[in-house]
This record gives sequence, structure tokens and C-alpha cells, in this order.
Amino acid sequence: DTAVSQTPKYLVTQMGNDKSIKCEQNLGHDTMYWYKQDSKKFLKIMFSYNNKELIINETVPNRFSPKSPDKAHLNLHINSLELGDSAVYFCASSTPAGETQYFGPGTRLLVL
Amino acid sequence: GQQLNQSPQSMFIQEGEDVSMNCTSSSIFNTWLWYKQEPGEGPVLLIALYKAGELTSNGRLTAQFGITRKDSFLNISASIPSDVGIYFCAGRASGSARQLTFGSGTQLTVLP
Repeated sequence: DTAVSQTPKYLVTQMGNDKSIKCEQNLGHDTMYWYKQDSKKFLKIMFSYNNKELIINETVPNRFSPKSPDKAHLNLHINSLELGDSAVYFCASSTPAGETQYFGPGTRLLVL
Repeated sequence: GQQLNQSPQSMFIQEGEDVSMNCTSSSIFNTWLWYKQEPGEGPVLLIALYKAGELTSNGRLTAQFGITRKDSFLNISASIPSDVGIYFCAGRASGSARQLTFGSGTQLTVLP
């Protein structure tokens, strides 16, 4: 069974479109995260939700909006996609203490 | 914010050699984690460290939480081809709740 899953794995879209990425975890964790990994492989936190509440919101354009329908799901919606949004987006989850985080397989977004 | 310096940036080694990499931070960390990312996958947790001076092994991998709480080391002994990947350190600073800061990664290539 996959612990943290994301869909889709690949996403190719045109500039200006709106797209969503979905994440689900079956680890029973309360906290979930979205990270962006750029072309240099640098991992940067974007958002964190604890039990459906936003707790970390780094400096991210407001075109990015996370939504957590329940504590096992954290989706990421991106409006008006730009070329610079091309990256790999990782979902992760952890226990409330956040001591260790478990990552999904990533969504490779390419904006043309 | 916290910064992590991870070195080396890349390594090319012969199969059977030992490998060392390290991370240093600009502030004191309470937790150090080491992840491995293989191509097309998300980071996978290798070792977690929670106390200064702690030395933990996972098979051929050994990691240490530095006494100053500002650094951590990962050693891989007798490397094999499947050790290839990017190794990331990550740390959680005191008072940062669930937020992890990631190093820039060490790209390891093992030559047969």
C-alpha cells in the first residue's frame, strides 16, 4: 500500500491554465505539506496543514491555493499557470510533532 | 531563516569505497534527518536523529547529530551501484514547529 500518493505524476499544460494536484496519505498523520523542488533539486516548503488547518504558508504567489477536505487529503490548486511554475511538487505528511516527514512520489509540472 | 550548507554538491566514487557527506546550519537544530531521492521518486527517509551526539546506523549508513547541534554527517560504507541518488539533509530548528529546512543535496554516482 502506498503511504503518500499524488496524482497526476506528470502534468503538461499551457501558460494561463488552472490545474490541480491531489495528495492522499494513509498513514493516519495529522499534518500534511506541499513542497516545490526546482531544477537544481532544491526542496522548499510551500504550505503545511494540521488537521485541515493551515499552519505554514511560505511566501508563495496567491495563485497557489491549498485545500484540505479532511486530514488525509491535501490538494493544491494553481491558477493562471506561469512558465516559472514548472517544477516537481511533492506532498508529504507527518505526525503533529513533525519530527519525520514522509514524501509522495511527486508531480512533475511542465508549463509551456 | 535557517540555512543549511550541504557538501559536497556531487561525488563520483568507485564501487566499494566509503562515502562521507555533511551539513552545517546557521542555527541550532533539534532534529536532523537524512533522505535519499532516486530519479523520478520522492525523498525517502534514511535516518532520523533527535539528540546531540547521537550516532545511528541503518545498514551500511551511519549518521551523527553533531555535538554543537549545528551539523550532521552521513557516512555510507562499501558503496554499491544502488546507492546512486541525491542525498538530502534536513533539520528542524528550535521553535520552528513542523517546518523542516533542507540542504541542497549531494548527488552520488557510484562507478562499477
